[in-house]
Amino acid sequence: GAGVSQSPRYKVAKRGQDVALRCDPISGHVSLFWYQQALGQGPEFLTYFQNEAQLDKSGLPSDRFFAERPEGSVSTLKIQRTQQEDSAVYLCASSLVGTGQAPYHTGELFFGEGSRLTVL
Amino acid sequence: TQLLEQSPQFLSIQEGENLTVYCNSSSVFSSLQWYRQEPGEGPVLLVTVVTGGEVKKLKRLTFQFGDARKDSSLHITAAQPGDTGLYLCAGGASYGGGSQGNLIFGKGTKLSVKP
Repeated sequence: GAGVSQSPRYKVAKRGQDVALRCDPISGHVSLFWYQQALGQGPEFLTYFQNEAQLDKSGLPSDRFFAERPEGSVSTLKIQRTQQEDSAVYLCASSLVGTGQAPYHTGELFFGEGSRLTVL
Repeated sequence: TQLLEQSPQFLSIQEGENLTVYCNSSSVFSSLQWYRQEPGEGPVLLVTVVTGGEVKKLKRLTFQFGDARKDSSLHITAAQPGDTGLYLCAGGASYGGGSQGNLIFGKGTKLSVKP
């Protein structure tokens, strides 16, 4: 597709359930980011991939959160044993450029519409 | 920890008024981006500034990057209802540390322009 695609758009989970959120980045984009956005707040960084390598996972809030991008394209964010505080919109973004390239300029991020997770 | 603080948090104005949104940090950023987000959608890039003191204009929007690369402002002239949305600033990798992959976002300014 032309843009970043995320699924599902909406997910309701009972506390304790596992969920998986999928991101299809723009074809050929090297970098892929996951952000968590609470209502009325700015996106908070979760993790970053350059191709299939997860270069930064410092934003993952706990070991219940796991992300992968095994073939350097589609990515999945998995949340195990969901808690109410996990309720948020999870945004995926991709970028054509990798990072660490001189002069450390971050390229434009193209965001998906997000997956809204509600944990009851 | 790098933080970007945006002000004001909320802004409600009448059509035709001018406004300025601020984005401040104690950290130096190599680049700074402004995004606009509408409800139910992901943020969309408006502009990237990379040079200290840089000024960029996009129709009625004027963006400025501070000389010290720690702050930025967004000025909208003659606001229109279509400008309504959440305006986010985001800082790229800073010198001296931090993940180069991480774009750090401010909490945003929620702008409402009434007709």
